[in-house]
Amino acid sequence: EPEVTQTPSHQVTQMGQEVILRCVPISNHLYFYWYRQILGQKVEFLVSFYNNEISEKSEIFDDQFSVERPDGSNFTLKIRSTKLEDSAMYFCASRINTEAFFGQGTRLTVV
Amino acid sequence: QKEVEQDPGPLSVPEGAIVSLNCTYSNSAFQYFMWYRQYSRKGPELLMYTYSSGNKEDGRFTAQVDKSSKYISLFIRDSQPSDSATYLCAMNKPGANSKLTFGKGITLSVRP
Repeated sequence: EPEVTQTPSHQVTQMGQEVILRCVPISNHLYFYWYRQILGQKVEFLVSFYNNEISEKSEIFDDQFSVERPDGSNFTLKIRSTKLEDSAMYFCASRINTEAFFGQGTRLTVV
Repeated sequence: QKEVEQDPGPLSVPEGAIVSLNCTYSNSAFQYFMWYRQYSRKGPELLMYTYSSGNKEDGRFTAQVDKSSKYISLFIRDSQPSDSATYLCAMNKPGANSKLTFGKGITLSVRP
């Protein structure tokens, strides 16, 4: 069964460093998303992406964040200068119709 | 008022019990409703999806939507220890690229 895959599963980084989280969405899906979940809190929307551009972004998605679909299969989230409060699970999701399918997540720990 | 509110947990039930999980929402623009199951430190897994008021059944799971009351429910019949997980309600507005808005989730434990 097709699935959304994310790498790495866990990333530890020092404050101020850049991180890139990677996702391979389901191959025929058209819409791509990043969500995050801080421990004990709800899953929050970060950004949606369609037709090689950002469709919508939340107030969390500030200038430190960027997304890219560099090669037609990968979908990446870059955090330029990580802060302690960026520590969270980051989930990639993709959809073709209304149902969205999520990856297993990348646990980002900023120290 | 939060856009999506979910009954707080945790919830512990004996095996075989019927479980009722509920969410309310304030934004009448939400038209599509989903229930996700999430195991610890894993991604949300889509369980049920519905867009109309009424009931939708899939095996031991029934999703119920009442748009007039802005209330959705997930019922689990004959609950099993393997159903122990966090259950998230989610919803979105019409639109091809509409984002999901989640409830906080409720952790269910089914005791053998």
